[in-house]
Order: sequence, then C-alpha cells, then structure tokens
Amino acid sequence: EAGVTQSPTHLIKTRGQQATLRCSPISGHTSVYWYQQALGLGLQFLLWYDEGEERNRGNFPPRFSGRQFPNYSSELNVNALELEDSALYLCASGKYRNTGELFFGEGSRLTVL
Amino acid sequence: QQQVKQSPQSLIVQKGGISIINCAYENTAFDYFPWYQQFPGKGPALLIAIRPDVSEKKEGRFTISFNKSAKQFSLHIMDSQPGDSATYFCAASFSNTGKLIFGQGTTLQVKP
Repeated sequence: EAGVTQSPTHLIKTRGQQATLRCSPISGHTSVYWYQQALGLGLQFLLWYDEGEERNRGNFPPRFSGRQFPNYSSELNVNALELEDSALYLCASGKYRNTGELFFGEGSRLTVL
Repeated sequence: QQQVKQSPQSLIVQKGGISIINCAYENTAFDYFPWYQQFPGKGPALLIAIRPDVSEKKEGRFTISFNKSAKQFSLHIMDSQPGDSATYFCAASFSNTGKLIFGQGTTLQVKP
C-alpha cells in the first residue's frame, strides 16, 4: 500500500512569490493534515481538510491556504512568501475523527531566499 | 493551555540501556497521546499511542506510561539499539479537531 506522497521534494522561491505544495493521501483516508516543521519551532498544525472542506486551521496568517480535491488529494498554497516561511511542510492523512493516528509523508522542503 | 512540554531535548544512551523521554500537558481535555519517531529526511512515523483511561501500554520494546493525575506521560525504550537513534515527539490531541499538539522533540543517540 502506497504511503502519503508529497511533491515537490524541494522548492526554492524568493520573497513575495507564491508556493504550491501537493499531497496524495493513503488510499481510503479522507482527511489530510498539513504541518509546518521549522527549525527550532517543532511541528505546528496548519490545516485540516476532510471531504473537501477545511475543518480546522492553526494559528497561521490567511496567506496560508489550501484545498482538498474530490480524490482527497490536497494542495497547500503559501502566498506572499516571507523568509520565515522556510521550513519542511509535512502532509499527513488519517481517517476522519481518528485524529491521533496520522500517517506522514516525507515532506516538501521550502526555502525562501 | 495547549502546550505539551517534552524533556530532555537530547539524550545519549548506551546500547542495551533504557531510554526515557518525558512529556507534560496542562489541558485535561486532551484525549489521545501518540508518540512519533522521525529519522533525518523522513516524516514522523507513529510509534505507539495511549488514551487517558489506560495507565500503561507496551508494544515490543516501547512502553508508554501515563499518569493522569500528574498530567504526565513518558516513553520508555527498553534494550535501546543504535537503530533507535532518531528524534522522538510526544503529542496530544482533542477529538474531532484534527489537531495534534507536538512536544519540542527529543534527539536520541544510542551508542554502540
């Protein structure tokens, strides 16, 4: 069974640009979660999508947004990139309401110059 | 208060020894406490998890001890092996929020 897949693996952008990260969940999982892992800040919850809708978001500005598609894949968009957005962005999938058992992908490393 | 405090930040253990990582929380509404293991360049992987109505859970060499009254839980790795060298994160979650609150992580090094 394929795990959570994320693309791209690495992404380099400059300040002010937009970044789009993509995620495919494990087959049968309807929920997709996005986390930011920045150096020194640990893992921070960004967004939760389930059945195509945003169910919850963490303490991040509105320029962090995303969506979930009918096939349950998801994308995370970060607009007006700032230097501090440089981080590993992790996508996880899980079954709805089973919020503890998350299966993470290997992440997309975003570098903002 | 939604923080989960994890200690120590780093840990060095000899092969065959016991590794112990501790976490503490404030919010009694948390109802699920997983531990994740992360190797360099990889995403975190679920290791073991416990719910607050259970005081201990063991899976192989990994044991979670949970103290509800003290609002603390810990991970014990018995017979630690060099392959266990990784970063370990404790976490806590509220049902139906889709949100895991992670501790800051513990980097474990097991020396051969």
